[in-house]
Amino acid sequence: KAGVTQTPRYLIKTRGQQVTLSCSPISGHRSVSWYQQTPGQGLQFLFEYFSETQRNKGNFPGRFSGRQFSNSRSEMNVSTLELGDSALYLCASGLESWAGELFFGEGSRLTVL
Amino acid sequence: QQQVKQSPQSLIVQKGGISIINCAYENTAFDYFPWYQQFPGKGPALLIAIRPDVSEKKEGRFTISFNKSAKQFSLHIMDSQPGDSATYFCAAMFSGGGADGLTFGKGTHLIIQP
Repeated sequence: KAGVTQTPRYLIKTRGQQVTLSCSPISGHRSVSWYQQTPGQGLQFLFEYFSETQRNKGNFPGRFSGRQFSNSRSEMNVSTLELGDSALYLCASGLESWAGELFFGEGSRLTVL
Repeated sequence: QQQVKQSPQSLIVQKGGISIINCAYENTAFDYFPWYQQFPGKGPALLIAIRPDVSEKKEGRFTISFNKSAKQFSLHIMDSQPGDSATYFCAAMFSGGGADGLTFGKGTHLIIQP
């Protein structure tokens, strides 16, 4: 069974631009969560989607948004990029919402110049 | 507010030894405690997880010990091997639905010396 697939793996943007990251969950999983990983703050929860609905959102500004499609694939968008948005963005999928077991992809490494 | 505190930040263990990583949590609503292993360039991989109705769970060389009254849990890696060298994260969450998803500790960089 294929794992969680994230694209692109690496990208470089400049301040003020926007970026869209994509995540394909494990087949059959309906929950998709997004996390930001930085050396200083560690792993932080961004938001979670289940059956195309955002269930919860972490403590991030409104520049961070996401959506989930009917096939459970998810995208997250960051607008008006700031230097501090440079991070590894990780997507995790789960069979059911809040069931606990989350399986992470390898992440999208975003560098903002 | 750091809800899950992990220690130590880094750990060096000889091959064959026992690696021990500790975590303490604050939110008593947490009822699911997983450990993740992350290698450089990879995403975190679920290693083992425990719920508060048991005090210990063992899977191969990996054991979680859980102390509900002290709000602490730990990961023990028996017979540590060089291939175990990685960063380990503890985490916690309320599986009934919560606003914070998984709350992670800051991570422990483990090095197993051959």
